[in-house]
Order: sequence, then structure tokens, then C-alpha cells
Amino acid sequence: QKEVEQDPGPLSVPEGAIVSLNCTYSNSAFQYFMWYRQYSRKGPELLMYTYSSGNKEDGRFTAQVDKSSKYISLFIRDSQPSDSATYLCAMTPYGKLTFGQGTILTVHP
Amino acid sequence: SAVISQKPSRDICQRGTSLTIQCQVDSQVTMMFWYRQQPGQSLTLIATANQGSEATYESGFVIDKFPISRPNLTFSTLTVSNMSPEDSSIYLCSVEGAGATDTQYFGPGTRLTVL
Repeated sequence: QKEVEQDPGPLSVPEGAIVSLNCTYSNSAFQYFMWYRQYSRKGPELLMYTYSSGNKEDGRFTAQVDKSSKYISLFIRDSQPSDSATYLCAMTPYGKLTFGQGTILTVHP
Repeated sequence: SAVISQKPSRDICQRGTSLTIQCQVDSQVTMMFWYRQQPGQSLTLIATANQGSEATYESGFVIDKFPISRPNLTFSTLTVSNMSPEDSSIYLCSVEGAGATDTQYFGPGTRLTVL
């Protein structure tokens, strides 16, 4: 069993939809949680960073962490075609990132 | 966040040769990381490179195959040695984020194809 599980999709939604991306993990040592966005032929870009359980909002993006269930989510409101990318969850204790498989998202006009 | 550049951005190489990838950061950082991203896959950490010490390799990666240099706080190189088609991947360097956040910032990647 992988330490971090992420549905690879692909996920296709119409413009304006609410998108939910999810990861589960098995290692209780994970304390810091991140979401990265990777456009085709680019390096991953840090979108959100959270530490504690609960919600963190940044514009159209909301990161949610439930440590008791070992489950994290990224919500994208009012999705745009420019949000089309691969989304990677990542988590760590002590500087060593473990990534999910990535979810390919396409937002069509 | 730090600005990270990599050279080359892409290359096509012959089996049995070696390629050195450069990673340059616009600020001094203690820790730099090298990752591999195989086609359609997620990122796998190859090694962690701290300035002034030997790189620390993850399970499945060895120094003879992936020698790393870290001569100063803004620069690192990764060499992919004696390449085979299985080494065709995107190679990414990253640096630690500010503060005790465990975040990392990534370079644009080097797309390597081995024939």
C-alpha cells in the first residue's frame, strides 16, 4: 500500500464548476500538507500549504485537512480553463516530501 | 519564493553516455533536492544535497549512477551516468522554503530522452 493515495483521474469539468481533489494517507507522522499544480512541461508550483486540521482558504482555493481520518482535500471554486493542470498532493515530516500520484484536471469552456 | 533555473531544459542522449544537469537558485539555500518524474508518474526523490557534505540518497538510487555536486549555497549538479532508455524522465531540482514549513519550490525541470 502506498503511503499517499490520490485518484489519478482524469477529471473533466465545465467552466464554473466546483472541483474537489482528494488524497488519503497512512503515515501518522505526516504533519505538513501541500498542494502543487503542475502545468504540462513545467515544474510543480506550490499552491497551498497547511499544517493543522481544518480549512485554509486562498482566493478560489480551499485546502482541508482531517488528520483523524488521514484525508486531505483541495477545493477549487468557479473553476477556469486556466486551472487545467495536474494537481499533486504532498506531505512531510522533516523536509522529505511524499507525493500522491497526481490528478489530471481539465476545465472546458 | 526562490527563482530556480535548470540547464539544459531538455536533451536527447545516446545509451551509455552521461548527462550533467545544472540547478541554479537566486538565493542561498541550505538544502537542495533532486527528483525524478517518469512519464505519467509522480515525483520520486533521488537525493538531498546539503552544501559541504555528501548527498543523501534514497532507496533505489546510488551515487555511482547519480553523482551529485553541491559546491556552494546557490548551485548543484546531478549527473545521470551510463544512461539507458529507462532513465528517460523529467529531472527536477527543488529548494527548501522559508521558515520551518517543510515546503519546497521546484525548478522547471530537465526533460531527458535516452535512445
